[in-house]
Amino acid sequence: EVQLVESGGGLVRPGGSLRLSCAASGFSFSRCDMTWVRQAPGKGLEWVSAIGGGGDRINYADSVKGRFTISRDNSKNTLYLQMNSLRAEDTALYFCAARGLYYQYHMDVWGEGITVTVSS
Amino acid sequence: EIVLTQSPATLSLSPGERATLSCRASQSISTYLGWYQQRPGQAPRLLIYDASNRATGIPARFSGSGSGTDFTLTISSLEPEDFALYYCQQRLKWPLTFGGGTRVEIK
Repeated sequence: EVQLVESGGGLVRPGGSLRLSCAASGFSFSRCDMTWVRQAPGKGLEWVSAIGGGGDRINYADSVKGRFTISRDNSKNTLYLQMNSLRAEDTALYFCAARGLYYQYHMDVWGEGITVTVSS
Repeated sequence: EIVLTQSPATLSLSPGERATLSCRASQSISTYLGWYQQRPGQAPRLLIYDASNRATGIPARFSGSGSGTDFTLTISSLEPEDFALYYCQQRLKWPLTFGGGTRVEIK
């Protein structure tokens, strides 16, 4: 079964750091581009970052550029999002998604999401 | 950045009725558009890829059309499980962008 499971969320103070993980199973992880998408409470979807299957082709939304770092460990089938200098506006449900597993460049498999709350 | 504008923000319909959702892009994106459904408390799921192709397992009552800047998602006859949020998303250029969403609610 194809599955993505996020972990590492929680409550953090403004200016703090957090690292999210996304464990993949059931497919050839190293062959798949991956992405992070977030959803602030009561708001719509916002794309955050994406990475190619080999760890190259990295892109960020302007809202997180310079503060967040996406990476992956293909030996562990795991995607990461290192989040530094966190702000209240980063509070959201963070989803990881496979991009192009079945349909080229579309986010076609999603995890259930993990909550990040930035508050003092 | 490519801005996607979805309309209406909310669609109030009864089961069995036809739903027509619109997504307009700020510049031409050919057919590089996907539609996603998000039910309450769930992750989004891909319904339509490349503007008009149903993803595996998506019922035939869902259809997508359009190219360039104007796109439509049609649900031919609403089932109870179709009352949800719908988002369009373009994959042509970075940054990837989503529309603001359309909520389909029970009238």
